[in-house]
Amino acid sequence: AQKITQTQPGMFVQEKEAVTLDCTYDTSDPSYGLFWYKQPSSGEMIFLIYQGSYDQQNATEGRYSLNFQKARKSANLVISASQLGDSAMYFCAMSKTNAGGTSYGKLTFGQGTILTVHP
Amino acid sequence: DTGVSQDPRHKITKRGQNVTFRCDPISEHNRLYWYRQTLGQGPEFLTYFQNEAQLEKSRLLSDRFSAERPKGSFSTLEIQRTEQGDSAMYLCASSAGTGTTNEKLFFGSGTQLSVL
Repeated sequence: AQKITQTQPGMFVQEKEAVTLDCTYDTSDPSYGLFWYKQPSSGEMIFLIYQGSYDQQNATEGRYSLNFQKARKSANLVISASQLGDSAMYFCAMSKTNAGGTSYGKLTFGQGTILTVHP
Repeated sequence: DTGVSQDPRHKITKRGQNVTFRCDPISEHNRLYWYRQTLGQGPEFLTYFQNEAQLEKSRLLSDRFSAERPKGSFSTLEIQRTEQGDSAMYLCASSAGTGTTNEKLFFGSGTQLSVL
């Protein structure tokens, strides 16, 4: 079974500073994907970044980067130059391949971290 | 707006009543998912469709829950004889069905259900 753990219920950061949101995972599947989603108060889940288990380099998407440490089973999200609009709930999630070796959108989510950006 | 849309945004019902939610996915997406999210938790997978076929249902989906996706377009999620424990945000998502672990889900804004 898969498990995602986000140990930080809430985080605070000053505007323009960088912040790291922690995520550890547990799986026995050799092939998996790791995602980060942002959920503002409107409720919609917004895709931020993806990292594949076989990717050699850490993923980056604009101000978002994923610090992937496979041996430690961690996939931390780094947000650089925080903005007030970054205040939201952030979820780490994992996908896996099924018995046939393909995958679909059955994601396992962590409990989330609420990020508050102060001016 | 070509994103995933869900209707209604909010639903208040009395215990024992039936409710139905609708989801319109991104038009070219062949896969559609339903997730449930309770307060303070991450979303939990309920079921998914590839085109019109329902390919997996979570054990979370009791017999009171039924989902359909006629003609592989919009989907409906019906809850019969609602219970207070059904109160949650019901999220719909769609994807282009790459069959790989990088399959990106696009979510709607959800339907918030409150059962009194």
